Amino acid sequence: GESVGLHLPTLSVQEGDNSIINCAYSNSASDYFIWYKQESGKGPQFIIDIRSNMDKRQGQRVTVLLNKTVKHLSLQIAATQPGDSAVYFCAENYSGNTPLVFGKGTRLSVIA
Amino acid sequence: GAGVSQTPSNKVTEKGKYVELRCDPISGHTALYWYRQSLGQGPEFLIYFQGTGAADDSGLPNDRFFAVRPEGSVSTLKIQRTERGDSAVYLCASSLGVNQPQHFGDGTRLSIL
Repeated sequence: GESVGLHLPTLSVQEGDNSIINCAYSNSASDYFIWYKQESGKGPQFIIDIRSNMDKRQGQRVTVLLNKTVKHLSLQIAATQPGDSAVYFCAENYSGNTPLVFGKGTRLSVIA
Repeated sequence: GAGVSQTPSNKVTEKGKYVELRCDPISGHTALYWYRQSLGQGPEFLIYFQGTGAADDSGLPNDRFFAVRPEGSVSTLKIQRTERGDSAVYLCASSLGVNQPQHFGDGTRLSIL
């Protein structure tokens, strides 16, 4: 199938290590943020979201951190597995404007 | 339960032809979105429906692009007089409502020869 993100920044991580993927968002008015995982030939898959009244949210093996002061979002993946290899996108929007605005994406490559 | 379903998964057609792309959202989701994704880029917004009406079509690139959702469920994206620059993956997403997670289908890969 068609590859996603042939020229994206790449993060290479050893299996079992923790991964941190960063995203700088564009709109200081944004109040809702989502991380998506996209595998080749597939649509974006929802991972975790966070609203602007929080600065941290945890899921299963994933944590999202939000720093509104510097407009920065990060996704932490604990004990990275080969199945985590994909392109990761952050997305933002704000109340009253529903379309998501996606960041450029980061390719995560897990080395077994 | 079924996720967002898009058909066809691949479409190859000649420049100048008309194409229709279909999206079946998750049952019960009132909001439906169309995005377009080019190689190496994140998805870009095209149009959003709340129920049957297009609440925001500001992302449609020109009047060759049109979308409908007549019964508030299935949506069709229509492209007239296709151009080579229209080649991309067209993604559909649905959500329970505004500022709720949008869940995506696997897209239609459109190739204009």
